[in-house]
Amino acid sequence: NAGVTQTPKFQVLKTGQSMTLQCAQDMNHEYMSWYRQDPGMGLRLIHYSVGAGITDQGEVPNGYNVSRSTTEDFPLRLLSAAPSQTSVYFCAVGLAASYEQYFGPGTRLTVT
Amino acid sequence: QQQVKQSPQSLIVQKGGISIINCAYENTAFDYFPWYQQFPGKGPALLIAIRPDVSEKKEGRFTISFNKSAKQFSLHIMDSQPGDSATYFCAASSQAGTALIFGKGTTLSVSS
Repeated sequence: NAGVTQTPKFQVLKTGQSMTLQCAQDMNHEYMSWYRQDPGMGLRLIHYSVGAGITDQGEVPNGYNVSRSTTEDFPLRLLSAAPSQTSVYFCAVGLAASYEQYFGPGTRLTVT
Repeated sequence: QQQVKQSPQSLIVQKGGISIINCAYENTAFDYFPWYQQFPGKGPALLIAIRPDVSEKKEGRFTISFNKSAKQFSLHIMDSQPGDSATYFCAASSQAGTALIFGKGTTLSVSS
């Protein structure tokens, strides 16, 4: 039982490149979300999903796309990376009927 | 407008002392208030949480105090240990299975 996994752990991109951050869970939780963590800013919600086929925007969605085709996976896409997207990205999962949320280990992304 | 305000930004406590971190919120619809603990290079981990129907919750050395009328809640770490050195985030949510709104975090250092 791996819980919440994120890949890759580290990534360096050049400005304008695209990439997908992967989040997978084996907990069968309906709710999945993406946060970014920046020094002194806490964790800010990017996008979230309450189930397969349903996604919505969070506080800082610009520059990011998501889709949810299965319960297990919730990838985050950067279409054209910018230095402002340099951050640590966390995926979190939770049950629809519960307040508790569990975080993955994170992906550290640097855009040069 | 920052919905959850956390203070202090950093805290240094001697081993055996009491660490106190405070949070204040604006949205009266919030009804779940967790604290997360994060070690360097790791994802945030749920530490303890409280609902507004109680004024205090204790789990081992960790206690949440909640003041609904003041819209404030705090984390108390009794007998602080060097292993408690981490970043602590308060958060709030208004509905199960939805987004958590985070404070900006407090870096705690416990000196031996």
